[in-house]
Amino acid sequence: DTEVTQTPKHLVMGMTNKKSLKCEQHMGHRAMYWYKQKAKKPPELMFVYSYEKLSINESVPSRFSPECPNSSLLNLHLHALQPEDSALYLCASSRASVRDPYYNEQFFGPGTRLTVL
Amino acid sequence: TQLLEQSPQFLSIQEGENLTVYCNSSSVFSSLQWYRQEPGEGPVLLVTVVTGGEVKKLKRLTFQFGDARKDSSLHITAAQPGDTGLYLCAGLARENTGNQFYFGTGTSLTVIP
Repeated sequence: DTEVTQTPKHLVMGMTNKKSLKCEQHMGHRAMYWYKQKAKKPPELMFVYSYEKLSINESVPSRFSPECPNSSLLNLHLHALQPEDSALYLCASSRASVRDPYYNEQFFGPGTRLTVL
Repeated sequence: TQLLEQSPQFLSIQEGENLTVYCNSSSVFSSLQWYRQEPGEGPVLLVTVVTGGEVKKLKRLTFQFGDARKDSSLHITAAQPGDTGLYLCAGLARENTGNQFYFGTGTSLTVIP
C-alpha cells in the first residue's frame, strides 16, 4: 500500500475562518511533509516532520500551524488566511532513513484544493 | 540553495513524437526522483535513480542519471495523449540530514492527438 490520503478534497473558506487539513498514511513512514503548490509550478516545501517532531519550517507564516498527533497522521491548521494562500496543498510521506536513498522516496497524496475568499 | 533547473519549461508536441526533458544542477544528489502530475492531483512517483550513469526504463520512458549525479534526463518515445502532465524532478541532497527534497522548476507537457 503506497497510499497517502488527504481530506477534504476541496475547501472554501473566508479570511476569518478556522479550518484544518488532514493527511494519513499507513506505510510506516516516519517523515511527513506539507507542500503548497500554485498552478503549473513545482511544490514549495512548508514543513517536515521526522519521527513526529518538526524538523523543517520553511519560514511559513504563523497562520499555518502544523501538527503531527502520531506517526500516521499529519494536520495543517489554518486561521486568518489571505486570498493569496489559495493553492493546492499536498501532503507527502517517506521513510526517514538518510542512509538508503531508496528509503527516502516521497509518496504524495491527491491534495486539498484550498480557496480563500 | 540546491537549485534544479528543468528544460524546457513548456512543451507541446504531436502524438507519436519523441521528446527529452532535462533536469540540471550544480549540486550533487544522492538520489533523484521523477514525478508526473495531472491537474488538480498529487505528483505520482515514476522512478528513483541512485547510481551515477544509471539508466532506467519504464515502458516508453527512459530515465538517466548523470555520471556526476548532478543532472538527469527523461526521454519519452512515441508520446501519447496520456503522457500529458507536469513532469517534476526532485533531488535528495547528498549531505541531507533533514529529509529535504529539492524540486525542479517543472516541465509542462501537452501531447496533441
